[in-house]
Amino acid sequence: AQSVTQLGSHVSVSEGALVLLRCNYSSSVPPYLFWYVQYPNQGLQLLLKYTTGATLVKGINGFEAEFKKSETSFHLTKPSAHMSDAAEYFCAVSGVGSNDYKLSFGAGTTVTVRA
Amino acid sequence: DTEVTQTPKHLVMGMTNKKSLKCEQHMGHRAMYWYKQKAKKPPELMFVYSYEKLSINESVPSRFSPECPNSSLLNLHLHALQPEDSALYLCASSQAIRDRINEKLFFGSGTQLSVL
Repeated sequence: AQSVTQLGSHVSVSEGALVLLRCNYSSSVPPYLFWYVQYPNQGLQLLLKYTTGATLVKGINGFEAEFKKSETSFHLTKPSAHMSDAAEYFCAVSGVGSNDYKLSFGAGTTVTVRA
Repeated sequence: DTEVTQTPKHLVMGMTNKKSLKCEQHMGHRAMYWYKQKAKKPPELMFVYSYEKLSINESVPSRFSPECPNSSLLNLHLHALQPEDSALYLCASSQAIRDRINEKLFFGSGTQLSVL
């Protein structure tokens, strides 16, 4: 079964600073990997996903993530934080088989942005 | 239309009440999901419907009863809930290829449920 571990339950950054959210996965086969964002009182929104192909994935709102098989990692970055980036971020993984499509979420990382 | 609409946004109910949560999407998606989310926790999958048939039931207590009357609608019927069932209930949908469900989920904003 696949799983993800998000390192750091809370990240605080200054406006304009780099945002780095860490995610490591555990999977016996190459997985599908996702980052979702949840704003207060909202559902989750897909930021980006990795399935196959290019290991550097660009998403919405200036976020990107790099799949590193050797490190079993899929860290999320944004070069310059905005106040609007304050939210909860979830890394998620699913299998690739026809019966293994269930998403498993990490525990989440809360991002706060200081003015 | 890329929205998943959930009603009501907030619901307060007693332990003897019967209520229903509703979810609607018009994106032509054939997979629909119910998730339960406690505060500061990730969503937990409850049910998955694929082509209007129940595909996954994650050992959810029978006081939660899902229903998918057509390809656009998903309901969650609630009866005799417990205070620990208080949570945000999220509906989601995705494209569904037969025997394989696409992983890009579109979420609604959820129903915040409080059980007294």
